[in-house]
Amino acid sequence: GNSVTQMEGPVTLSEEAFLTINCTYTATGYPSLFWYVQYPGEGLQLLLKATKADDKGSNKGFEATYRKETTSFHLEKGSVQVSDSAVYFCALSPPNAGNMLTFGGGTRLMVKP
Amino acid sequence: EADIYQTPRYLVIGTGKKITLECSQTMGHDKMYWYQQDPGMELHLIHYSYGVNSTEKGDLSSESTVSRIRTEHFPLTLESARPSHTSQYLCASSELGSNTEAFFGQGTRLTVV
Repeated sequence: GNSVTQMEGPVTLSEEAFLTINCTYTATGYPSLFWYVQYPGEGLQLLLKATKADDKGSNKGFEATYRKETTSFHLEKGSVQVSDSAVYFCALSPPNAGNMLTFGGGTRLMVKP
Repeated sequence: EADIYQTPRYLVIGTGKKITLECSQTMGHDKMYWYQQDPGMELHLIHYSYGVNSTEKGDLSSESTVSRIRTEHFPLTLESARPSHTSQYLCASSELGSNTEAFFGQGTRLTVV
């Protein structure tokens, strides 16, 4: 079956530090990969996505590259801000239209001024 | 910005009461989902639908029920609320095709006292 594993949090960083949140997946075929962000008290918002191998998704300074050889989709940002404090979810959408989105367990990021 | 709405945002209700959590989307999406999110952040799929008159149970067993009489509406009902039902409930929708992203509502935080 499909699964997503992401690093456990919380991840605590100082403002302007470099961020990496690891995500690896198991899936048959070639899924699309996503990062969602959840701010306190809110639902999930799509942050970025990649639909095929070697694609790089980017948004708001965040980036992630679809690595088929390592089945990974690590999230990175060069300089985090306090406003980036949130929970980040890695997810995959399989090529079979009947299958559901599969989410990782979420990683809480706390950025201190 | 996603056009998917959940009401109420917050609900505190007594044990034994019947409640319905509303979810509506204006994007014409065929797929809709209900997730339960525990305090540890992990998302658990409890119900989903491929379209009108289609409802399926998700990975996590739930005492709630759903209906899909109209494409845009996917309400979740608890016939008799219990404290164990206290949680955050997230509704989402997506297109029917493969590799599709999901759009989320802002969630309903339910507290049963």
